[in-house]
Amino acid sequence: QKEVEQNSGPLSVPEGAIASLNCTYSDRGSQSFFWYRQYSGKSPELIMFIYSNGDKEDGRFTAQLNKASQYVSLLIRDSQPSDSATYLCAVKRDRGSTLGRLYFGRGTQLTVWP
Amino acid sequence: KAGVTQTPRYLIKTRGQQVTLSCSPISGHRSVSWYQQTPGQGLQFLFEYFSETQRNKGNFPGRFSGRQFSNSRSEMNVSTLELGDSALYLCASQGMGENTEAFFGQGTRLTVV
Repeated sequence: QKEVEQNSGPLSVPEGAIASLNCTYSDRGSQSFFWYRQYSGKSPELIMFIYSNGDKEDGRFTAQLNKASQYVSLLIRDSQPSDSATYLCAVKRDRGSTLGRLYFGRGTQLTVWP
Repeated sequence: KAGVTQTPRYLIKTRGQQVTLSCSPISGHRSVSWYQQTPGQGLQFLFEYFSETQRNKGNFPGRFSGRQFSNSRSEMNVSTLELGDSALYLCASQGMGENTEAFFGQGTRLTVV
């Protein structure tokens, strides 16, 4: 069983729309959840992190976490062509520990067309 | 504050050779992790170092090794290179405290021919 699974995509939305990216994880003890954006040929860039159930908003991005359902999502409002990238969901078992590997999903490729 | 620095950015090596990649974490970060990214396998964890000690290891053969120095800089080494080792190698550093997000360097693109 894969640790972290993402909707495979690719996902294509028009400019100005809401893009919804989803992720489920298998380890119920996971405590830390991250979304990375990766442009083609570049390294992953951290864009959101969430540790508690509920919503966390940062500008056009909203991360949602439901630990009971083992589900985390990322909403991108007013999508822009510059948001076109692969979005990686990552999960870490511990919070507050400087140790601990990240478990990554395979990523969802998002294209925002003008 | 400087980010995570990886060198070199690009490498071309021949099968059978060995390679050493370097990573300097964000100042003050003591944890360094290495990941391999390929189109077929995605991001796979190699190993994690903290205070010069390997704390976690992924499922890679012994040809992949690493170390960390007292200044938290880390190196990874791949010996007897195979074509399948061609990948983007990413280093991530984590800080200490309540929230320990991981930040990636720009990566080293290794091509084995």
